[in-house]
Amino acid sequence: DSGVTQTPKHLITATGQRVTLRCSPRSGDLSVYWYQQSLDQGLQFLIQYYNGEERAKGNILERFSAQQFPDLHSELNLSSLELGDSALYFCASSTISGTDFYNEQFFGPGTRLTVL
Amino acid sequence: KNEVEQSPQNLTAQEGEFITINCSYSVGISALHWLQQHPGGGIVSLFMLSSGKKKHGRLIATINIQEKHSSLHITASHPRDSAVYICAVGGSNYKLTFGKGTLLTVNP
Repeated sequence: DSGVTQTPKHLITATGQRVTLRCSPRSGDLSVYWYQQSLDQGLQFLIQYYNGEERAKGNILERFSAQQFPDLHSELNLSSLELGDSALYFCASSTISGTDFYNEQFFGPGTRLTVL
Repeated sequence: KNEVEQSPQNLTAQEGEFITINCSYSVGISALHWLQQHPGGGIVSLFMLSSGKKKHGRLIATINIQEKHSSLHITASHPRDSAVYICAVGGSNYKLTFGKGTLLTVNP
């Protein structure tokens, strides 16, 4: 158990709908990362938040948005869903020190999104 | 050409064999991660390294910054090592770029 929790585990929805995925980081971790894993694209970095502020953006579609709340949990919002958005969505957390760009990341169990 | 290339894509071994998975990258990096993903989908971070070598149990990871290459070694492999092993590199922009993974199957 990494200490990172994600809800829900599975989500089935229809095209055009909007869903929210939730992530709670490990206790004490200030940084949250969101990743998408699809069969054809593999793992892709979507976005990172650090202590409530967006730190880095990857291949995140405009239909997707995220935020990190004062209690450090994060939500990834996916709207106008398309069939191609079906994937595993992972959240990870880490503690970034002042001198290191990276610390080890701890991954949540993922949310499997199926868009029908 | 992908920024992160892993080889081999698939690897089948007999229990007890020494295993090597390779990762080559084409960009400057601050750190390289090795991740393990089991069939159930969960991802575990095995190593994060920016130079030299790290060892954890039967797993050893090395990196050569000049050659832009890293290897993950598994000694005395076991069927429970069967998983997908993913290399990921990160630069100064906090963004991780992933390889496509190596599917390892260890037969008893």
